[in-house]
Amino acid sequence: DVKVTQSSRYLVKRTGEKVFLECVQDMDHENMFWYRQDPGLGLRLIYFSYDVKMKEKGDIPEGYSVSREKKERFSLILESASTNQTSMYLCASSLYVAGVRYEQYFGPGTRLTVT
Amino acid sequence: QQQVKQSPQSLIVQKGGISIINCAYENTAFDYFPWYQQFPGKGPALLIAIRPDVSEKKEGRFTISFNKSAKQFSLHIMDSQPGDSATYFCAARWGGSARQLTFGSGTQLTVLP
Repeated sequence: DVKVTQSSRYLVKRTGEKVFLECVQDMDHENMFWYRQDPGLGLRLIYFSYDVKMKEKGDIPEGYSVSREKKERFSLILESASTNQTSMYLCASSLYVAGVRYEQYFGPGTRLTVT
Repeated sequence: QQQVKQSPQSLIVQKGGISIINCAYENTAFDYFPWYQQFPGKGPALLIAIRPDVSEKKEGRFTISFNKSAKQFSLHIMDSQPGDSATYFCAARWGGSARQLTFGSGTQLTVLP
């Protein structure tokens, strides 16, 4: 079974703090993603990576950065946390194979509260 | 346009009834349409998916109906059970070598016993 783990289930940080969210997958997947989930807005893509040290912006990258130094690990960084970044953060990974069923595997999420 | 519009936002169904969730898209470059199911405290998980060259896909009690000309697709849950209570997301993927999914806004389904 594919396993995607996230470092924390719940996190409380203060405005202005630097926040690191860590994600690890154990299936040698090339692609990794960070989403935020907010009620009524669904899942919105923040950043994704298709290879080590490679990253691409998603739909809402402002205020976030990412790091992928090893294939299995993808980190999301909030350089200076703000209250509007209070949200559920979901990490996902996938193996892209053309022409067949394509699946993203999600971690359990980190609920971040910024006060 | 990369948007996928999903409705309704919430749905309450009696046990044994049919649950129907609808999605619409604009971009004809989408080539793959999955549905994800999310239980409280868990991440979303792939439920069922369809490609645009097929009009219907059925897996157990779950069916996707796809209308390419209308650019709409829907999830039907037959004989809905309380265990189906979850949030459902439709999604779409760009064609070619794209890896990203664009998700709908989600539907919270409650099946009453």
